[in-house]
Amino acid sequence: GAGVSQSPRYKVAKRGQDVALRCDPISGHVSLFWYQQALGQGPEFLTYFQNEAQLDKSGLPSDRFFAERPEGSVSTLKIQRTQQEDSAVYLCASSQGRGDEQFFGPGTRLTVL
Amino acid sequence: GQNIDQPTEMTATEGAIVQINCTYQTSGFNGLFWYQQHAGEAPTFLSYNVLDGLEEKGRFSSFLSRSKGYSYLLLKELQMKDSASYLCAVGMIYNQGGKLIFGQGTELSVKP
Repeated sequence: GAGVSQSPRYKVAKRGQDVALRCDPISGHVSLFWYQQALGQGPEFLTYFQNEAQLDKSGLPSDRFFAERPEGSVSTLKIQRTQQEDSAVYLCASSQGRGDEQFFGPGTRLTVL
Repeated sequence: GQNIDQPTEMTATEGAIVQINCTYQTSGFNGLFWYQQHAGEAPTFLSYNVLDGLEEKGRFSSFLSRSKGYSYLLLKELQMKDSASYLCAVGMIYNQGGKLIFGQGTELSVKP
């Protein structure tokens, strides 16, 4: 596709469930980022990949959050034992290289009940 | 620490000009980005400044002063469709992957 795609667009989980969020970056983009956006706030950095290597995971809020990009293309953000405070929009972005303009996907809105 | 400040909300009239200010204090800097985000949609790129001065792109202009840690986004000839959240973001240095540190966003309402 022409842009970054994410699935699902909406996810409702019961507290304690595990969820997996998928990101398909723009073809050929080396860099991939995950951000978390709470209502009325700007996005907050979670983690960064360069190809398949996770070079920065300093923004992951707890060890319940895990991200991977095994073949340097599609990425998955997994949240284990979801909590209510995990409710947010999870945005994925990709860029051609480090420091280049980032193109964002539409996000996955996660609601934890 | 990282600190990026911008006004929470602004209101302007259709056809007018509005300036959205952003101040930043960050431990690294590789450029200042502005993104537009309509409700429920992805942020979309508007502008990028890495050197001091004004960058103009159609109805949108962005200014940067690195010594003052200050940027603004100028929107001219406002249209109703410009009602959106405007996000100021600092691009971090290469050894941090170029990740973006965002401000909270400025919610702009354009009135007829």
